[in-house]
Amino acid sequence: KNEVEQSPQNLTAQEGEFITINCSYSVGISALHWLQQHPGGGIVSLFMLSSGKKKHGRLIATINIQEKHSSLHITASHPRDSAVYICAAKGLTGNQFYFGTGTSLTVIP
Amino acid sequence: GAGVSQSPSNKVTEKGKDVELRCDPISGHTALYWYRQSLGQGLEFLIYFQGNSAPDKSGLPSDRFSAERTGGSVSTLTIQRTQQEDSAVYLCASSPQTGALKTQYFGPGTRLLVL
Repeated sequence: KNEVEQSPQNLTAQEGEFITINCSYSVGISALHWLQQHPGGGIVSLFMLSSGKKKHGRLIATINIQEKHSSLHITASHPRDSAVYICAAKGLTGNQFYFGTGTSLTVIP
Repeated sequence: GAGVSQSPSNKVTEKGKDVELRCDPISGHTALYWYRQSLGQGLEFLIYFQGNSAPDKSGLPSDRFSAERTGGSVSTLTIQRTQQEDSAVYLCASSPQTGALKTQYFGPGTRLLVL
């Protein structure tokens, strides 16, 4: 079993829809990162959070430490949001990161 | 400013050969990570450098893998006696400081194919 599980694996949405991607983890963490990987392969760090909620533009990330769960929300989705979204949990000790396998999002115009 | 750069962008090698992958982090970034992304797999942590501290090598999959960081800047990941299962995209990321909540800036990766 992976330390970090994401769902869904694949997601297709119509432009404008509200999108939620879920991440559950089984290890103690010091922080959780959300990454975006575009079709060309480039990876961008979207959020790092250890509690509560963060918002940047149309993106919102939340984390519930007790439930070991994080969500990434995209409001008013757009085709340019099409990418693979990856959650990564940083362990409590050391520098190890545990990665989910990613959620492939396609937003259709 | 310049981002993280990696070279080569693509590398094809024969099984059993050694390869060296290079990472140039953003100037001034003290933390540097190496990751691997195999086809159809998620990202996998390999090694972490922070300043002049001893590297965290806990993610290296075997003793054929090694990495060094000279002068706290450029890093080289070396894979000896490459195997076909080493084929993957090797990604480097740097961060301005240590700490769980510091943004990592990723390089474009080196795509390694072992025939």
